[in-house]
Amino acid sequence: AQSVAQPEDQVNVAEGNPLTVKCTYSVSGNPYLFWYVQYPNRGLQFLLKYITGDNLVKGSYGFEAEFNKSQTSFHLKKPSALVSDSALYFCAVRDTGGYNKLIFGAGTRLAVHP
Amino acid sequence: SQTIHQWPATLVQPVGSPLSLECTVEGTSNPNLYWYRQAAGRGLQLLFYSVGIGQISSEVPQNLSASRPQDRQFILSSKKLLLSDSGFYLCAWRTADTQYFGPGTRLTVL
Repeated sequence: AQSVAQPEDQVNVAEGNPLTVKCTYSVSGNPYLFWYVQYPNRGLQFLLKYITGDNLVKGSYGFEAEFNKSQTSFHLKKPSALVSDSALYFCAVRDTGGYNKLIFGAGTRLAVHP
Repeated sequence: SQTIHQWPATLVQPVGSPLSLECTVEGTSNPNLYWYRQAAGRGLQLLFYSVGIGQISSEVPQNLSASRPQDRQFILSSKKLLLSDSGFYLCAWRTADTQYFGPGTRLTVL
């Protein structure tokens, strides 16, 4: 069965420190992977995606993600966290069943402390 | 550029009342459209998707229905709301490989 796991319910980081939000996936074939961010009472904003090519993908607001096929992971990273990065982060994988449906992880709440 | 609108932004409805939430997309034609529900500020559940006018696929049997009367309009409805219908409803559209989300509607059923 296809699935996405975000093993951390919450991640706490001090401002200026690097951050990592973890994501692992299970899907047949080559995965299409996505990261979205959600601020309170707002819709999801697209951050970045991996379709093919370089394993390190750069996205919006200084975020990047590393695709690791052997570990079936797609961790979100940022070299230096900002307080304004505090939000809910979702990892998603495209459903191979068609129509570009997405399977989302449960979300990870990132808290960046001053 | 493309934009996606949802209204209303917030809605408080009594149990047993009808529901109509609207989503419209601008700047594109024949988009794939999706309705999601987010409960308790966490996981997203895909409710419906549509690949064209009048074409609706349901992911989860429930108290809701969807319609697509026009190319860029997607409507979520219910004849009688339940308490469990409360949540944050998100509409999304797809271009190439990526889905983009609207601002959402917060529905509270009392």
